[in-house]
Amino acid sequence: GAVVSQHPSRVICKSGTSVKIECRSLDFQATTMFWYRQFPKQSLMLMATSNEGSKATYEQGVEKDKFLINHASLTLSTLTVTSAHPEDSSFYICSANGAKNIQYFGAGTRLSVL
Amino acid sequence: AQSVAQPEDQVNVAEGNPLTVKCTYSVSGNPYLFWYVQYPNRGLQFLLKYITGDNLVKGSYGFEAEFNKSQTSFHLKKPSALVSDSALYFCAVRATSSGNTGKLIFGQGTTLQVKP
Repeated sequence: GAVVSQHPSRVICKSGTSVKIECRSLDFQATTMFWYRQFPKQSLMLMATSNEGSKATYEQGVEKDKFLINHASLTLSTLTVTSAHPEDSSFYICSANGAKNIQYFGAGTRLSVL
Repeated sequence: AQSVAQPEDQVNVAEGNPLTVKCTYSVSGNPYLFWYVQYPNRGLQFLLKYITGDNLVKGSYGFEAEFNKSQTSFHLKKPSALVSDSALYFCAVRATSSGNTGKLIFGQGTTLQVKP
């Protein structure tokens, strides 16, 4: 089946630093990937749609300068949380559109900002 | 407006008993419907989907779901629950009118607790 790899699985950083999260489709090409944020015991909140070779489409209320998305190839999208603050601490999940209209998800990244 | 509702925050069943996790939706156009499962600190795993065809869809790990257009529902079911089924379940819908982005709308999630 289709596999989406997300790295790192967990990151702890100091306030003010930037953190990059990678999302890779391992055995398929994905022109579209998605980035979600999830708070404890809550649903997924779509942050942005990442499009290969073009700018990401951000959901309302998501700061594009804060959450930088790059989708430079058909198998890799990155999310950079710039100047992270404690309120950015969350579980970030990526996904990619695979075959048969199925969206496949990465294992998630737990970000803790001290 | 497009939306997905999972009316139960938590469902408790005894191992071996049948389980149902409810989902209703509201979209324009024909819906693509999905169920995903999430284990603690993990991403979502695809269980099953309905696009067209038979209203009863069979998926992974013995789960199935029934699409009911008149009731706009897509309830997840399993004839005999296992303790290992305990997890967080999400219903999601993708409206065909949403274009080719494939954006999903998720329900609030239902925690399934299966007790021995």
